[in-house]
Amino acid sequence: NAGVTQTPKFRVLKTGQSMTLLCAQDMNHEYMYWYRQDPGMGLRLIHYSVGEGTTAKGEVPDGYNVSRLKKQNFLLGLESAAPSQTSVYFCATWTSGYQETQYFGPGTRLLVL
Amino acid sequence: AQSVTQLDSHVSVSEGTPVLLRCNYSSSYSPSLFWYVQHPNKGLQLLLKYTSAATLVKGINGFEAEFKKSETSFHLTKPSAHMSDAAEYFCVVSAFFGNEKLTFGTGTRLTIIP
Repeated sequence: NAGVTQTPKFRVLKTGQSMTLLCAQDMNHEYMYWYRQDPGMGLRLIHYSVGEGTTAKGEVPDGYNVSRLKKQNFLLGLESAAPSQTSVYFCATWTSGYQETQYFGPGTRLLVL
Repeated sequence: AQSVTQLDSHVSVSEGTPVLLRCNYSSSYSPSLFWYVQHPNKGLQLLLKYTSAATLVKGINGFEAEFKKSETSFHLTKPSAHMSDAAEYFCVVSAFFGNEKLTFGTGTRLTIIP
């Protein structure tokens, strides 16, 4: 039982390049999230999904796209990377029930030059 | 709308002395509140959560937090700091009817002095 995994762990991009971050979960959770973490700003929600085939915008969605073709996977895409997207990206999952909490992956560190 | 304010960006304490990390919240509903910890270059780990049961919540590694509705606070404490407590701590708030949307504080970096 791996929980929440993220691929890759670290990546360096040049401005204008594209890439996809993969989040995978084996807990059968309905909800999945992508956050970015920047120094002094906590975590900010980029996009989220409430189930297979659905996506919704979070607090800072510009410059990112997402897809949830399978329940266990949530992909975050950068079509044309910019230096402002240098950050640490965290995926999280959640299942319904007010006692439940979000479970976080280990993070992906992205550097855009 | 909900928000959370962590009153200190950096706290330093000596090993063996008490820890106090302060958090105030704002929420339109009866909130659920959490503290997460992040060790260097690691993911986020849940320390403890408040979901409208007992106002004093005990978490892992000797941490606890008290929900005070009148003060809209949810401060994190530990009686005696250990070197392994050095990390970043996040106070988090969500609406009562589901924890599907979390709002994070900006974090407090805890440094332990030997």
